Amino acid sequence: DVKVTQSSRYLVKRTGEKVFLECVQDMDHENMFWYRQDPGLGLRLIYFSYDVKMKEKGDIPEGYSVSREKKERFSLILESASTNQTSMYLCASSFSGISNYGYTFGSGTRLTVV
Amino acid sequence: AQSVTQLDSQVPVFEEAPVELRCNYSSSVSVYLFWYVQYPNQGLQLLLKYLSGSTLVKGINGFEAEFNKSQTSFHLRKPSVHISDTAEYFCAVKRGGSNYKLTFGKGTLLTVNP
Repeated sequence: DVKVTQSSRYLVKRTGEKVFLECVQDMDHENMFWYRQDPGLGLRLIYFSYDVKMKEKGDIPEGYSVSREKKERFSLILESASTNQTSMYLCASSFSGISNYGYTFGSGTRLTVV
Repeated sequence: AQSVTQLDSQVPVFEEAPVELRCNYSSSVSVYLFWYVQYPNQGLQLLLKYLSGSTLVKGINGFEAEFNKSQTSFHLRKPSVHISDTAEYFCAVKRGGSNYKLTFGKGTLLTVNP
């Protein structure tokens, strides 16, 4: 069964901490994405990557960075966590080009910053 | 840029009633359209997709959607809902020729009551 796996389901961190959210996919997908999901706001794209070491900013990149050193792994980094980054974080992946017919999502990481 | 409007943020219905969740998108030369479902505390799962061909698309769990190009709509329907259909539903669009990104609506929470 193909999967996108997010390392933590629930995470509690303190304000100012550096936080790493990890995502791994086993489908050999070129594209990987990080979204945050908040009530009433839907899914908002933070960053995406279309190849190893390549990244592009999404709609709300401020306060975040990403790393993609290997094709299967895409990490989201909160450089200095703040309470307004408390949210559900969703990772997704997809093929490129004409076979890009949708995303496969992970189960999400619910991050609470206190 | 593409935009997606889900016209209802919440839809309450009784079990075994029919339901329609509405989705409109901004016009483009060609689009691919998707519906995703998110059950509580889970990631998003693909429900169905329109790529080309027949405008009536059937998906999992008895759902179907109809692509209407003139009205730029992609409404989701089910003739008889179950309690287990209670979830949040997201409409998404990918512009033809766009390599990576899906644009998501803000979601519709479907609540099925006994």
